[in-house]
Amino acid sequence: QQQVKQSPQSLIVQKGGISIINCAYENTAFDYFPWYQQFPGKGPALLIAIRPDVSEKKEGRFTISFNKSAKQFSLHIMDSQPGDSATYFCAARQANAGNMLTFGGGTRLMVKP
Amino acid sequence: DGGITQSPKYLFRKEGQNVTLSCEQNLNHDAMYWYRQDPGQGLRLIYYSQIVNDFQKGDIAEGYSVSREKKESFPLTVTSAQKNPTAFYLCASSIGGHLNTEAFFGQGTRLTVV
Repeated sequence: QQQVKQSPQSLIVQKGGISIINCAYENTAFDYFPWYQQFPGKGPALLIAIRPDVSEKKEGRFTISFNKSAKQFSLHIMDSQPGDSATYFCAARQANAGNMLTFGGGTRLMVKP
Repeated sequence: DGGITQSPKYLFRKEGQNVTLSCEQNLNHDAMYWYRQDPGQGLRLIYYSQIVNDFQKGDIAEGYSVSREKKESFPLTVTSAQKNPTAFYLCASSIGGHLNTEAFFGQGTRLTVV
């Protein structure tokens, strides 16, 4: 049972373009939604996160949009750069279950120069 | 410097062998987690521990065992009962509680059955 569905699985964007990755969840007990960035052979690192009482959060070129009623959230990378090429994971945390994170399947982003 | 250290980086296991993956953190975090990563499937939770001497099964605990004798350490044993152990294993830790706390990940251990 996949509680967090992520799309697309892979994405190719030209340098300077906008990368958009979408996630949907079902469990309304999730209370915290982070995005992680992972480079090959490395562990994931937190990129940006949002709580469900906020509809949008922006940090530099990265923006999370959150739609609580639709149970969907997305990551937008503005002015995408080749250095952004990595795998991105959305996740959802359930505080009353040990704070464990449930991850989406990941999106492999390639930004072409 | 603070962080999570996983060792070894690469591990090879023969059929029928148990192997133990090490995870140590010096962040003074209460909670620790083990995830398994397979291509195209994201990260799946194996076990987690919120406090010393206590741990719970995650979504795919069969064939794995853990211990939490010290706050800093959360080793994972991949037993011979795990039929498909080849994967990238990630350990993580967080402060715990109900805050917006970040989970920090180690650099992973790539386990291969030979």
